Amino acid sequence: QQQVKQSPQSLIVQKGGISIINCAYENTAFDYFPWYQQFPGKGPALLIAIRPDVSEKKEGRFTISFNKSAKQFSLHIMDSQPGDSATYFCAASKRGAGNNRKLIWGLGTSLAVNP
Amino acid sequence: EPEVTQTPSHQVTQMGQEVILRCVPISNHLYFYWYRQILGQKVEFLVSFYNNEISEKSEIFDDQFSVERPDGSNFTLKIRSTKLEDSAMYFCASSDSKQYFGPGTRLLVL
Repeated sequence: QQQVKQSPQSLIVQKGGISIINCAYENTAFDYFPWYQQFPGKGPALLIAIRPDVSEKKEGRFTISFNKSAKQFSLHIMDSQPGDSATYFCAASKRGAGNNRKLIWGLGTSLAVNP
Repeated sequence: EPEVTQTPSHQVTQMGQEVILRCVPISNHLYFYWYRQILGQKVEFLVSFYNNEISEKSEIFDDQFSVERPDGSNFTLKIRSTKLEDSAMYFCASSDSKQYFGPGTRLLVL
């Protein structure tokens, strides 16, 4: 119920290509779905997030597609650049005790964009 | 841009020793979190903290762990008697509505 499943584990894309990372969740109480980007030696940085009342959110080259009925969401990186090479995590949360929002994380996807 | 800071960046300790990991959250944030990431595994929630008390904790967060905000700025995670399996990257996060993460402390228990 608490799991978030992420695929693929690793991804190699050519510069200018589209990177697609997929996540699936089980708990229908989740109502916030962020994507984090992590470079080696750094903490995760929030990239983009979506709530289930919309099916798509776009910020620059990054788009989240959300399918509530399938309990799936995905990150699309358009015109992928070598600087996008990083590990990407999807996560999900719901409001918990004391209004906290612990994040339940996917396993991560290591993206390499070849020049 | 405000950021979450953590110290130390690396900590090596002997099994059974106490460690304190420190975090300085973003100043106007009210919610604070600790997560850990064992090498090659997913990020795991440890504990959340609001209004000077724990609001939620995971099964990992047993009696060996404690958190406090001693002076209104620092947010600390103490592990009383470290075990080999506590070796991980520990991340602090602070939140207004979005969670912002520090760079982490890499803890190695020998």
